[in-house]
Amino acid sequence: GEDVEQSLFLSVREGDSSVINCTYTDSSSTYLYWYKQEPGAGLQLLTYIFSNMDMKQDQRLTVLLNKKDKHLSLRIADTQTGDSAIYFCAEMGANNLFFGTGTRLTVIP
Amino acid sequence: EAGVTQFPSHSVIEKGQTVTLRCDPISGHDNLYWYRRVMGKEIKFLLHFVKESKQDESGMPNNRFLAERTGGTYSTLKVQPAELEDSGVYFCASSQDVGLFEAFFGQGTRLTVV
Repeated sequence: GEDVEQSLFLSVREGDSSVINCTYTDSSSTYLYWYKQEPGAGLQLLTYIFSNMDMKQDQRLTVLLNKKDKHLSLRIADTQTGDSAIYFCAEMGANNLFFGTGTRLTVIP
Repeated sequence: EAGVTQFPSHSVIEKGQTVTLRCDPISGHDNLYWYRRVMGKEIKFLLHFVKESKQDESGMPNNRFLAERTGGTYSTLKVQPAELEDSGVYFCASSQDVGLFEAFFGQGTRLTVV
């Protein structure tokens, strides 16, 4: 089955850039997603990228997709304390999403 | 417009007891999904409803789990009898279309089996 991997933890200082990485196995995925889970809240769709794109930028967020290496990354520019959360990478399977373990981002003031 | 709501937000039960989780999807969303995250691990798919029909239940761990969606509106997920390894956060999501998958997730139910 599909396998999505992420590192579990990332700490950055406020104002720095954060880069969260993800690798996946299903090369036929048409969409890849980043979800954010803040403490006590549900999963919030942050952004997604279609598989024929290499990059997508949305304000402070930049998504890079390397299809050859099956590598997806999320860069958050000027990271703020409000960005502290768990970030999940997900790929679209036949009818549902396959998630990674989530990366807990801690922003140090 | 109300989002996806789940009830309860937390549940602590003893091993062997029964627990029923509820999910109210966004009105008009035919697709409803259940997912589970065991502590520190990935979020795993459990099952998918299209209206009241189970489209895919390949992720259900075993027959102690029973999901229903009578009338195609809200859904329940019953665990009977609960085991320690059932502890985790259970997420529900709903979407209008399957092909263009923009699912909206609820806040999750944290289940602790002691």
